[in-house]
Amino acid sequence: QVQLEESGPGLVKPSESLSLMCNVSGVSINGFHWTWIRQPPGRGLEWIGNIYSSGSTNYNPSLKSRVAMSVDTSQNQFSLKLSSVTTADTAIYFCARVESGYEYFQFWGQGTLVAVSS
Amino acid sequence: DIQMTQSPFSLSASVGDRVTITCRASQSISDYVNWYQQKPGKAPKLLISTTSTLQSGVPSRFSGSKSGRTFTLTISGLQPEDFAAYFCHQSFTTPWTFGQGTTLEIK
Repeated sequence: QVQLEESGPGLVKPSESLSLMCNVSGVSINGFHWTWIRQPPGRGLEWIGNIYSSGSTNYNPSLKSRVAMSVDTSQNQFSLKLSSVTTADTAIYFCARVESGYEYFQFWGQGTLVAVSS
Repeated sequence: DIQMTQSPFSLSASVGDRVTITCRASQSISDYVNWYQQKPGKAPKLLISTTSTLQSGVPSRFSGSKSGRTFTLTISGLQPEDFAAYFCHQSFTTPWTFGQGTTLEIK
C-alpha cells in the first residue's frame, strides 16, 4: 500500500533553513502531485505547496519567498526546504499525496515535529 | 485566499448523539470540500471528499452535505472512536485552505 515517511532534523536554529525529505513507498512517485502541509502544535493545518513528479511546483503565496521543493524520482522521494525560519515555523510537517481531479489528500505521512529554537 | 469558517470550535457530545460541524466558504467553491478526522499524535484521515463522497472503510454514520456556501459534516450515532478533531478543506483553488478545526469531546 501507499506509504509516506518524513525525515529530517527535529531542531533548527532561527534564521537557518529547515530541510525535510518524504520517502514514498508502495507506489511510483511518477504521475502524481505531492504536497507538504504543516500544523503548529495544538493548531490548524496550513498548506505549504505542491510538487509534481516532473518538478513543477505551486507554493502558498504566504511562504513562497522562503520555500523550495524538489523531487528525486530515482529515489522515489521529494523534499522541502524552508529558509530563514523563525519560531513561527515550529510545527508538525506532513507530506501527502494529492489525488488528481478534486485534489484531496488520501495518503499522509505520520508527520515530523520541527522545532525552531536557539 | 478562500476562508473556511468552521464551527463550532469545540463540541461536547455523548455516545449515540448526532452532531453536525459546518464550514462556510468565503466564496463559491462548487463541491470542492473534503473532511478529515485527526486523533492526537496522528496524521489527518480523509473521511469525505468532494462534499459527500464517503471514503472506503469509513462508517456510514459519517455523511457530508452542502447548502449554498455552507458545508456540513454529520455524524449520526457517535461512537467512542469518533471523539477527535475534524477539519474541512477547500481544494477549489490554491492556496488550499482549511477550517480552524472542531474538537469533539465526550460529555
